[in-house]
Amino acid sequence: EPEVTQTPSHQVTQMGQEVILRCVPISNHLYFYWYRQILGQKVEFLVSFYNNEISEKSEIFDDQFSVERPDGSNFTLKIRSTKLEDSAMYFCASRASSGSNEQYFGPGTRLTVT
Amino acid sequence: GEDVEQSLFLSVREGDSSVINCTYTDSSSTYLYWYKQEPGAGLQLLTYIFSNMDMKQDQRLTVLLNKKDKHLSLRIADTQTGDSAIYFCAENSYSSASKIIFGSGTRLSIRP
Repeated sequence: EPEVTQTPSHQVTQMGQEVILRCVPISNHLYFYWYRQILGQKVEFLVSFYNNEISEKSEIFDDQFSVERPDGSNFTLKIRSTKLEDSAMYFCASRASSGSNEQYFGPGTRLTVT
Repeated sequence: GEDVEQSLFLSVREGDSSVINCTYTDSSSTYLYWYKQEPGAGLQLLTYIFSNMDMKQDQRLTVLLNKKDKHLSLRIADTQTGDSAIYFCAENSYSSASKIIFGSGTRLSIRP
């Protein structure tokens, strides 16, 4: 069964460093998402991406964040200058089409900023 | 604003039914979802219901929707140890076809 994959599973970085979290969505899907879950808190929407552009973003998704689909398979989330409060589990998700309401999630990347 | 609330913990005996409850605030919610998260794993879509439905059954899972009270429940029949996980209630608002709003998750534990 096709699934969303994410790498790495755990990333440790120092405050102020740039990180790139990688995702491979399900191959025929068209809509892509990033969510995050700070420990003990709710899963929060960050950004959605369709047709090579951001379709919606939350207040969390400020200028420090960017997303990219550099090729036909990868979808990345970049944090330019990490802060301690960026420590969280980051989930990628994908959806097949506008007629589908099923978002499929990856296993997540745990980001620890020290 | 949009909000989804659910209780944090539920403990049931193996073989009994589990009922996990959820309330939401957005009356324009289009789809309501249940996701399952096992330790160290991602969010697995279990089932979802369209807002014009009252009930959906899928094998051991029954979803009930009371749109008037904005109340959603997930019933798991014959609960097994493999059902131990965190269950997230979530909604997708008609006003935003993109994002899903999640509850805090209910941790289901099974006792022998």
